[in-house]
Amino acid sequence: EAGVVQSPRYKIIEKKQPVAFWCNPISGHNTLYWYRQNLGQGPELLIRYENEEAVDDSQLPKDRFSAERLKGVDSTLKIQPAELGDSAVYLCASSIWTGTLHQETQYFGPGTRLLVL
Amino acid sequence: QKEVEQNSGPLSVPEGAIASLNCTYSDRGSQSFFWYRQYSGKSPELIMFIYSNGDKEDGRFTAQLNKASQYVSLLIRDSQPSDSATYLCAVRENTGNQFYFGTGTSLTVIP
Repeated sequence: EAGVVQSPRYKIIEKKQPVAFWCNPISGHNTLYWYRQNLGQGPELLIRYENEEAVDDSQLPKDRFSAERLKGVDSTLKIQPAELGDSAVYLCASSIWTGTLHQETQYFGPGTRLLVL
Repeated sequence: QKEVEQNSGPLSVPEGAIASLNCTYSDRGSQSFFWYRQYSGKSPELIMFIYSNGDKEDGRFTAQLNKASQYVSLLIRDSQPSDSATYLCAVRENTGNQFYFGTGTSLTVIP
């Protein structure tokens, strides 16, 4: 079974430029998460999708960040314009509802390492 | 604000010893608890999860959960240099599919 796929793996841009990240979750996983992880910190949720619906975007800086998950599969996270403080690793994760609350786990993609100069 | 606290370390243990990693959480209603291992420059990798009080063993790893004390731990027996990584504790909230992560504990196993 293929894991969560993300691209690009690395991105270097100048501040004020736009950038987009793409994620393809594990097949059949209806929940998709975008996290941001700064060095030495744990992942922080940016947005969570249940199928194509964004059910939690309270931590997404909506003035510059946007996300979409068309057809409830792939997802794109965009930053426009990027700022120096956006340099971080952007992780995508997915999970599936198994009907057993306790056993739902999430799996991470390899992440996109963003450097804003 | 739901919080997950971990000692950031670094924690150093000699090869073959038991490494003990601890995590506390603030949301008493949390139901599921996860340990992830993250190597430098890599994404988090699920090691195990636990949801019942007590111990759960998987190979050299044992997760321990005490809901009354809001405490979860991970024991690594016969520690190997390849276990050197950052270990993230994650807690799943009771009402939905949101996971809260600690800042991670850096473990170094000294040969």
